Amino acid sequence: QLQLQESGSWPVKPSQTLSLTCTVSGGSITSGGYSWNWIRQPPGKALEWIAYIYHSGSTYYNPSLKSRVTISVDRSKNQFSLKLTSVTAADTAVYYCARGRVVIAIPFFDYWGQGTLVTVSS
Amino acid sequence: EIVLTQSPGTLSLSPGERATLSCRASQSVTSSFLAWYQQKPGQAPRLLIYGASSRATGIPDRFSGSGSGTDFTLTISRLEPEDFAVYYCQQYDISPGTFGQGTKVEIK
Repeated sequence: QLQLQESGSWPVKPSQTLSLTCTVSGGSITSGGYSWNWIRQPPGKALEWIAYIYHSGSTYYNPSLKSRVTISVDRSKNQFSLKLTSVTAADTAVYYCARGRVVIAIPFFDYWGQGTLVTVSS
Repeated sequence: EIVLTQSPGTLSLSPGERATLSCRASQSVTSSFLAWYQQKPGQAPRLLIYGASSRATGIPDRFSGSGSGTDFTLTISRLEPEDFAVYYCQQYDISPGTFGQGTKVEIK
């Protein structure tokens, strides 16, 4: 059974960089044509897809966040990571990592991590 | 981007009843690239339906999806106690993929 687990350092202060890592177990990040995604959910708001990466390193970003987001993959550790720069209180959210199945260019998500609440506060 | 509007916001039903959840898109979702997820408190979303009507692995057949274009429906034929949760739709047709704001199915 594939499992994903988020980890990272928080809380984060305004203007700093949020860093999160997703560790994949029960399967290889390099197997199949899956994308590896970050999604977030601000308190009381809808889910928002942030970005994805393939094991090859190809990336795709939500245009609304693209200028502040970097996603990367470490195949040797079966992990992928997110960096979000210049954070504000609006970036406070539960952050999920998820495996995506891409039909044309945009995925839907069949395995999710449990999510981690990241609070941006001074 | 495509805006998905889910209705109703909250659905109050009893176990055994039928639940009908709506997801309306601001523009046509071609090829029925629409998914439904279930989320329980403190848990990650779970994929229920993709391609508007295909059930994900392990999903009971009381869950069914239908629709095309701008109007999609998730139906739970007979509510079980474990089905009381929040349900989200997601389109993966036009970038960026977007989610609806959710429908809460609560026990009446």
